[in-house]
Amino acid sequence: QSVLTQPPSVSGAPGQKVTISCSGNNSNIGNNYVSWYQQLPGTAPKVLIYDDTERPSGIPDRFSGSKSGTLATLGITGLQTGDEADYYCGTWDSSLSVGVFGGGTKVTVL
Amino acid sequence: QVQLKQSGAEVKKPGASVRVSCETSGYRISSYGIAWVRQAPGQGLEWMGGISAVNRSTNYAQNLQDRVTMTTDTSTNTAYMELRSLRSDDTALYFCARLFEAYYFGSGTYSQAFDIWGQGTMVTVSS
Repeated sequence: QSVLTQPPSVSGAPGQKVTISCSGNNSNIGNNYVSWYQQLPGTAPKVLIYDDTERPSGIPDRFSGSKSGTLATLGITGLQTGDEADYYCGTWDSSLSVGVFGGGTKVTVL
Repeated sequence: QVQLKQSGAEVKKPGASVRVSCETSGYRISSYGIAWVRQAPGQGLEWMGGISAVNRSTNYAQNLQDRVTMTTDTSTNTAYMELRSLRSDDTALYFCARLFEAYYFGSGTYSQAFDIWGQGTMVTVSS
């Protein structure tokens, strides 16, 4: 049982937009910054978003992050077959003094 | 080029210990924190713990804190994770990751992101 809640899967057709939600509470998402990671099959995760909305250099602007209260969201526009992967949200939990991840969301391109 | 290179796969018996190394290059290990994340077969990411560069404190996941120790050697720019009293459910792919972090004292807000990852080390616990 993960501290952060993500949908197990989302899907979309090529070119469409999908969103992935990440729900927490005031001890984690509500008071700390959220990051998002993409894990392609058989590889290490890669950071897509940090500080709720910021993209590292080299990450296309098709990927975006937002946050409202205790809910963070990752958006992927112009969906491509290469976007098929598992996506994880992560943050710090101030009450538990630990890092926490969501359970992960599998993105399928139809 | 910033890289994290981990030690090779390990096979251990229940009750044994394992130490995984994470050699960093392209930056000074003392300038950033290091986190450890593991992933059991077919499962999601699990934060194990980390060493913060902000205050040099070490935090561990509550379910591991009695069995895990994380250290860094600044002379060799290498981080280590030791896990003791291994059980079958410790079988997983273990990752080290550079910790990109900031703490905002005014708001009490903490920012952390794992910006560079090692390739992973498979640890198998089997009798």
